Amino acid sequence: ETGVTQSPTHLIKTRGQQVTLRCSSQSGHNTVSWYQQALGQGPQFIFQYYREEENGRGNFPPRFSGLQFPNYSSELNVNALELDDSALYLCASSDIDMAEAFFGQGTRLTVV
Amino acid sequence: AQSVSQHNHHVILSEAASLELGCNYSYGGTVNLFWYVQYPGQHLQLLLKYFSGDPLVKGIKGFEAEFIKSKFSFNLRKPSVQWSDTAEYFCAASPSGTYKYIFGTGTRLKVLA
Repeated sequence: ETGVTQSPTHLIKTRGQQVTLRCSSQSGHNTVSWYQQALGQGPQFIFQYYREEENGRGNFPPRFSGLQFPNYSSELNVNALELDDSALYLCASSDIDMAEAFFGQGTRLTVV
Repeated sequence: AQSVSQHNHHVILSEAASLELGCNYSYGGTVNLFWYVQYPGQHLQLLLKYFSGDPLVKGIKGFEAEFIKSKFSFNLRKPSVQWSDTAEYFCAASPSGTYKYIFGTGTRLKVLA
C-alpha cells in the first residue's frame, strides 16, 4: 500500500463532457505528478504540481488542467473529452527531488 | 527527443530461468534511472533505482540492474525467476534537474510454474 489514493477507480464519460479526477498524496510529500497510460503503452507525463504551483508540463493540450491544494492533494481536470482520452490516469506522490515516486492505483477513464 | 526503449514487449519463462530485460534511454546528460513493476491488479511499485555510484544496483525481490553509460542502457536481471514475478515491468528515466519520469512501453513477463 503506497498511501496514494485516487478516486474514482472507474469512470465512463461521453465525448465533449468534462471530468475531474482526484488524488490524495502520501503523507509528507509535497509534489504530485499526473500520468496518462494508454492501453499497451507506458505512462506519459501530463504535469506536476509542487506546493500548489504547476512545476512542469508534458505534451498535453490546455484542456488538461490541474490543481494542488494546501494539503497537497490534487485534481486533474479534462475538458471537452475526446475518445483518445480513454486511458488509465495515474497520480504519483513524491518529494520534489523525485528520488522515488509512489503511485496510486489509477482511475480508468472510458470516453464513449 | 528524450525517450526510453524497452525491446522485449512480452517474455515467457519457466520458473528458475534467468531473466534479463533490456532498457535503453536517449539522453546525453545525467539521468536517474528506475525500474518499476506492476503486479496484476496492483499499483506501480519501485523495484530499484540508480542515481550515481556503483553501476550495479540491487533492488527488492532479488532483482538487480546494471547501468552502462557507454551503451545508454539499464538492463534488469534476475538469476532465477519465480511464478510470483509474473507482472509488467517498466523502465523509466528522469533527466537530472527535471521533474518527470519518461517511461518505456513496458515488458509483460509471464512465468510458468
